Amino acid sequence: GAVVSQHPSRVICKSGTSVKIECRSLDFQATTMFWYRQFPKKSLMLMATSNEGSKATYEQGVEKDKFLINHASLTLSTLTVTSAHPEDSSFYICSANERGRAYEQYFGPGTRLTVT
Amino acid sequence: GENVEQHPSTLSVQEGDSAVIKCTYSDSASNYFPWYKQELGKRPQLIIDIRSNVGEKKDQRIAVTLNKTAKHFSLHITETQPEDSAVYFCAASLISGGYNKLIFGAGTRLAVHP
Repeated sequence: GAVVSQHPSRVICKSGTSVKIECRSLDFQATTMFWYRQFPKKSLMLMATSNEGSKATYEQGVEKDKFLINHASLTLSTLTVTSAHPEDSSFYICSANERGRAYEQYFGPGTRLTVT
Repeated sequence: GENVEQHPSTLSVQEGDSAVIKCTYSDSASNYFPWYKQELGKRPQLIIDIRSNVGEKKDQRIAVTLNKTAKHFSLHITETQPEDSAVYFCAASLISGGYNKLIFGAGTRLAVHP
């Protein structure tokens, strides 16, 4: 149980284009979804948090117009990196809380974004 | 806000030895402390967690201890095996903006040598 999928697993895009990453909870309803960014050999940095049907809450220093988050349903959240630049290249990971379980976060497999 | 410090950053042990990773946190309101294992290029996987109403929890070769007074918690792995080699992250909960967030430590790279 508590499986989270992410798509795509890898994406290469050109500078200036936008990329959409999907995060899905496969066998549970996710009350809250989280988006993290992870640089090589570094920790997980929380970017934003969202509930279904409401606007995402962004962490300090994260540009909400650049990293658009849409939490369309209790099983789907999307992160769109707009006008991507090489410095946006990173490993993006989502996680989800299961409804009724306030704390545990289950992570997706991550998406490696490379902007050329 | 919450700050989580994790030590050591790297740890090398011989197979069969024990490994201990320590974390401290700053927010006394934190009440949930998970540990995640992440292999290279893979997702973090929850291996054990502890809530503030208990001081210790064990699951086979893995145990976690919590000292709320000192704001300190530790992961103990006994009888280490090569497959335990990975990066381990501790985290502490933080209620912010109505959400239960997790603040992660910097990670410990554990290498278990046969």
